[in-house]
Order: sequence, then structure tokens, then C-alpha cells
Amino acid sequence: KNQVEQSPQSLIILEGKNCTLQCNYTVSPFSNLRWYKQDTGRGPVSLTIMTFSENTKSNGRYTATLDADTKQSSLHITASQLSDSASYICVVSDNTNAGKSTFGDGTTLTVKP
Amino acid sequence: KAGVTQTPRYLIKTRGQQVTLSCSPISGHRSVSWYQQTPGQGLQFLFEYFSETQRNKGNFPGRFSGRQFSNSRSEMNVSTLELGDSALYLCASSLYREGDTQYFGPGTRLTVL
Repeated sequence: KNQVEQSPQSLIILEGKNCTLQCNYTVSPFSNLRWYKQDTGRGPVSLTIMTFSENTKSNGRYTATLDADTKQSSLHITASQLSDSASYICVVSDNTNAGKSTFGDGTTLTVKP
Repeated sequence: KAGVTQTPRYLIKTRGQQVTLSCSPISGHRSVSWYQQTPGQGLQFLFEYFSETQRNKGNFPGRFSGRQFSNSRSEMNVSTLELGDSALYLCASSLYREGDTQYFGPGTRLTVL
């Protein structure tokens, strides 16, 4: 069964600090891994997307890494800002014709001043 | 390019009623997926439509149904509403597959009293 597990479930950090969120998956065959940011009450917004051959992708202060061998990904946020407070969702898609996605439960990040 | 739009944004219904939610995808996108998100829960996949056909379906009862029109706009319908149907309903569009980069709408917040 395809699964995506994220850790930690929640995280509190001080403004300006860095943090790393984890995502482990068992989706097969693998197509891509995406990270989304979701503000409370809003739709998720895409941060990065990585295919099998990519092991790092950056989007401003967000850097995602992918280790396809261990089936792990991380999202690193540098110099956190109050606006980074949100839920971060890891999504992994399979390589079937329909490209079915499996969603993680998300990590809730709170950045405090 | 206009983003994904969903209407209405907020809806209040009573138990037993039915509701129809609408989603207009990004121009050129042919895959439209629907998700349910309840407080503290991850996104739960409802179904995906492509070229007016339901291609994938999640584990929801038959009270949840949908359709897609020739212009890729999609609607989802929930009949005989239950209190547990209160949730944020998100629509996402992508070019061809649910596993491609998805662009989410702002969601429809449904409250069932």
C-alpha cells in the first residue's frame, strides 16, 4: 500500500531560525515528489516538485531534497519568517497512467517572534 | 493566467439537504481532482475527472458524486448531508494527470448544521 509519512507532526521555532521537515514514502513506481504550503483555511500552494533524477530543488528560502534510494525527502526552511507559519504537505505520485497521488498528513509549523 | 476558482466560498446547509460545489480549472488543464479536508486531517482524495470521465475514485460513500463538463469545469454533489460532511472541499487542476503539479483553488467551506 502506498504511504507517505511526515515528521514531526508539529514544530514551533523562533523567527530567524532554520528548520527541516521530513517525508518518508513507500509509493511505487515513483513519479514525483511535491511539497506544498497550506495557510489555514486556504488551498495548498506548490513549493517544489522533484522527479527521480533530481535530488535538490530550491524555491527562495525553501530547499527540498530527495533520496530516491532511501525514499526520503526533506524540506529545509532558512531564516524563518512569521509568514512561514503554515502546514507543509508532502505528496508523492506514482508512475501509472493515472498518476495517482498519496498525501502526507502534513507538518504544522509555527514561527514565533 | 487565472487560477483555479471555486464557488461558493462558504456554504451552510442542514442535515439531509444536498449541495453542489463548482470548480473552474486553469485554462488548458484537463484533470480536475476533488479533496475533502476536515480540521486536523490531511487531504482525503474524493475523485478525479479527465475528459469528462471519472478516472480515479477515493473511499467515500456514493452520496459524493461529481461530473466534468466539456470545458473541463467540474462540479461535485453531496446528497443527504451529514454533520460529518462539514469540511473544506478543495479542487485542484493539472494538465493531464492528478500526479502532475496541481494548482489548488481556495476551497469551499461547507458547514452542516
